[in-house]
Amino acid sequence: EIVLTQSPGTLSLSPGERATLSCRASQSVASSYLAWYQQKPGQAPRLLIYGASNRATGIPDRFSGSGSGTDFTFTISRLEPEDFAVYYCLHYGDSLRGTFGQGTKVEIK
Amino acid sequence: QEQLVESGGGLVQPGGSLRLSCATSGFTFLSYAMHWVRQAPGKGLEWVAAISYNGGEKDYADSVKGRFTISRDNSKSTLYLQMDSLRPDDTAVYYCARGGFIYGLYYFDYWGQGTLATVSS
Repeated sequence: EIVLTQSPGTLSLSPGERATLSCRASQSVASSYLAWYQQKPGQAPRLLIYGASNRATGIPDRFSGSGSGTDFTFTISRLEPEDFAVYYCLHYGDSLRGTFGQGTKVEIK
Repeated sequence: QEQLVESGGGLVQPGGSLRLSCATSGFTFLSYAMHWVRQAPGKGLEWVAAISYNGGEKDYADSVKGRFTISRDNSKSTLYLQMDSLRPDDTAVYYCARGGFIYGLYYFDYWGQGTLATVSS
């Protein structure tokens, strides 16, 4: 069973700064099956990145993803006030089962 | 426009049952796998269960296996989660999500707004 470990748990940054989040898999996974989500309080998760590096429809280009094998990275190039939220990675696609990372909170410094 | 609307949450005593529903519209329901994902208060996302497009294949998280049953009615474009033998640690907001795909890439693309299930005496 795949385990996804996200780091750091919390990232304290100021608007305009760059945010770099990590998602590490317990075994090698296909990039095709790695996605990133944003969740704000009281809201459902929103798909940002799929296939490790593809932006979902309507997602600004300040959001990007990269990586392969066991190490994946999600980057926000310049934080906007609305980007402060919790971010999750998801592995899904080689079976019906989905696996989420535990999340990274990006908070205002 | 794709829409997913959950219902059926509420307060139930430990050992009790709840049946959640997820009514969908705006897409061809029978073409997609569907999922339930939950989030306990103040915690992260936990995948709970999934069902294939035709209902022929199902999978469950170990934490709910043997207690929860996922099903779907493609004629009504509706997903269900029957939750039995509920425990306090099942307290969570339950989301339904569509298993999207394109060119071999897979993800959960559309989500409902969630329904809260509270298990407490």
